Amino acid sequence: KAGVTQTPRYLIKTRGQQVTLSCSPISGHRSVSWYQQTPGQGLQFLFEYFSETQRNKGNFPGRFSGRQFSNSRSEMNVSTLELGDSALYLCASSSVAAAPDTQYFGPGTRLTVL
Amino acid sequence: QQQVKQSPQSLIVQKGGISIINCAYENTAFDYFPWYQQFPGKGPALLIAIRPDVSEKKEGRFTISFNKSAKQFSLHIMDSQPGDSATYFCAARYTGNQFYFGTGTSLTVIP
Repeated sequence: KAGVTQTPRYLIKTRGQQVTLSCSPISGHRSVSWYQQTPGQGLQFLFEYFSETQRNKGNFPGRFSGRQFSNSRSEMNVSTLELGDSALYLCASSSVAAAPDTQYFGPGTRLTVL
Repeated sequence: QQQVKQSPQSLIVQKGGISIINCAYENTAFDYFPWYQQFPGKGPALLIAIRPDVSEKKEGRFTISFNKSAKQFSLHIMDSQPGDSATYFCAARYTGNQFYFGTGTSLTVIP
């Protein structure tokens, strides 16, 4: 089975621009979660989607949004980029609807905001 | 506010030694505590996990010790090897599928 894939792997943007990141979960997985990873803060939960619905949301501003498609693929959008948005964005998929034990992470998208 | 506090930030251990990483939490609603291992350029991978009704879980050289009353849990890596050099994250699960992570520990095992 193919793992979680994320595209693009690297991205450079300037302040004020917007960006869209993509995540394809493991086949059969219906839950997709997004995390922001920075050296000082570690991994911080952004949101989780299940069956095209946002089920959980972390403490991030409204500039961060996401969606999930019927094939479980998910996109994350960040509008009006700030320098502090530079981070590794990870997505993780899991197979069980409620309280899954294992999240499988993708390699991440490295976003640099100049 | 960091929901899960992890220490130390970095750790250097001799080959064959024991690596110990500690985590503490406050929210008693957390119901599942995994540890993840991350190598450079890769996403985190599940290493071992424990539920709060168990005090210890061992898988090979990796052991989790869990102290529910103290709201602390730790990862012990026995007979540490250079291949164990990576960043380790503890985490805690809340409301189904919302995970809170520690800030990570960079482990270096010296040959």
